[in-house]
Amino acid sequence: SSELTQAPSVSVSPGQTASITCSGDKLGNEFASWYQQKPGQSPVLIIFQDRKRPSGIPERFSGSKSGNIATLTISGTQAMDVADYYCQAWDSSTAVFGGGTKLTVL
Amino acid sequence: QVQLVESGGGVVQPGRSLRLSCAASGLTFSSYGMHWVRQAPGKGLEWVAVISYDGSYKYYGDSVKGRFAISRDSSKNTVFLQMNSLSAEDTAVYYCARDRVPYGSGLDAFDIWGQGTMVTISP
Repeated sequence: SSELTQAPSVSVSPGQTASITCSGDKLGNEFASWYQQKPGQSPVLIIFQDRKRPSGIPERFSGSKSGNIATLTISGTQAMDVADYYCQAWDSSTAVFGGGTKLTVL
Repeated sequence: QVQLVESGGGVVQPGRSLRLSCAASGLTFSSYGMHWVRQAPGKGLEWVAVISYDGSYKYYGDSVKGRFAISRDSSKNTVFLQMNSLSAEDTAVYYCARDRVPYGSGLDAFDIWGQGTMVTISP
């Protein structure tokens, strides 16, 4: 099965912009979704179809994709954004998750 | 309020079986595909299985294929995961999640998640 690769950790200063990338061959022809998981909580969908936000997700979260790389961007990062972020895509009839990126706000 | 509540987790010995349930409320259960996703302690998310909104197709991750079976009972708004031949590698929190698109392929994003149920495989 295909893989999605994420950096294990990203650090950002409060109020700055954080970028989390996800790379994989399948992203060239499949949508990427992004999930936020805060410590001790269930994951939450924050981006689907590469760049769309579900209702209730703040506008500071945005998604984009170029070729085989999907990017989650968090503008004006806040302390409440500290979490693990996972990308996900489909490889035929199998869902694949990236390994996750831990966001630290310093 | 849309809610998914998992149950059935616990401690079981290697080689034994366990059946998880996920009860849905506040949503038109029969319109949506449903997934199971698991997370081993301190690890990332791993997709386990999906069942289409009408139960006509089911797909599984490679690590559980042939051992796990997903099913649903729309009269009870519940999806199940029958887990057989369990091993230590199956130790994880198991989440059920709803597929985003009603009457869709079941292969979309996961827009509603339950709180999870812990499964521990130990001698």
